[in-house]
Amino acid sequence: DGGITQSPKYLFRKEGQNVTLSCEQNLNHDAMYWYRQDPGQGLRLIYYSQIVNDFQKGDIAEGYSVSREKKESFPLTVTSAQKNPTAFYLCASRIPTQGSTEAFFGQGTRLTVV
Amino acid sequence: GDSVTQMEGPVTLSEEAFLTINCTYTATGYPSLFWYVQYPGEGLQLLLKATKADDKGSNKGFEATYRKETTSFHLEKGSVQVSDSAVYFCALSGSGGSYIPTFGRGTSLIVHP
Repeated sequence: DGGITQSPKYLFRKEGQNVTLSCEQNLNHDAMYWYRQDPGQGLRLIYYSQIVNDFQKGDIAEGYSVSREKKESFPLTVTSAQKNPTAFYLCASRIPTQGSTEAFFGQGTRLTVV
Repeated sequence: GDSVTQMEGPVTLSEEAFLTINCTYTATGYPSLFWYVQYPGEGLQLLLKATKADDKGSNKGFEATYRKETTSFHLEKGSVQVSDSAVYFCALSGSGGSYIPTFGRGTSLIVHP
């Protein structure tokens, strides 16, 4: 079955540590997105990529980095520069050139700073 | 820029009550509009969508009509069930060719037996 897989489901980070969240899709979608979800704040866009080897900052990119070396994969690194990283992170993909198509989401990764 | 505003929750209803969750949007051009549902600890799933003015999206008893004149896309269901308890997000596809999905803050629905 086609879909998006995020791993791990739960992740714990120590202060000053970088961690990487995985996102893999087999839907053959060109566009991929990372969102951060905090209670009462909805989904905020961190980074997005419309095509392999290209990505753009979203609304809250500071303290995060991404890469897009393969169409299927769009990992997110939460760096030590992100001062408040505890949140639920969601990866999504869609066909980028059609506004009428919906986004498909992974199951999310819950990151907690310990 | 594009934005979506939806009513704050939580919305608390008894089983079989009528549900309305309001959603309005601001966008240039003519975006497509979506409702997604999120169950605890999971990602978002598409509930329904409408791609042009006056279109009605429907699924699992939920409905929403794309109203261009009022820039609204309110979600309705005639008789809710306990299993409908979840967080509902209104969203639009961005304009300007990038079609970046933009989401509202989400509305929590709690249905009591």
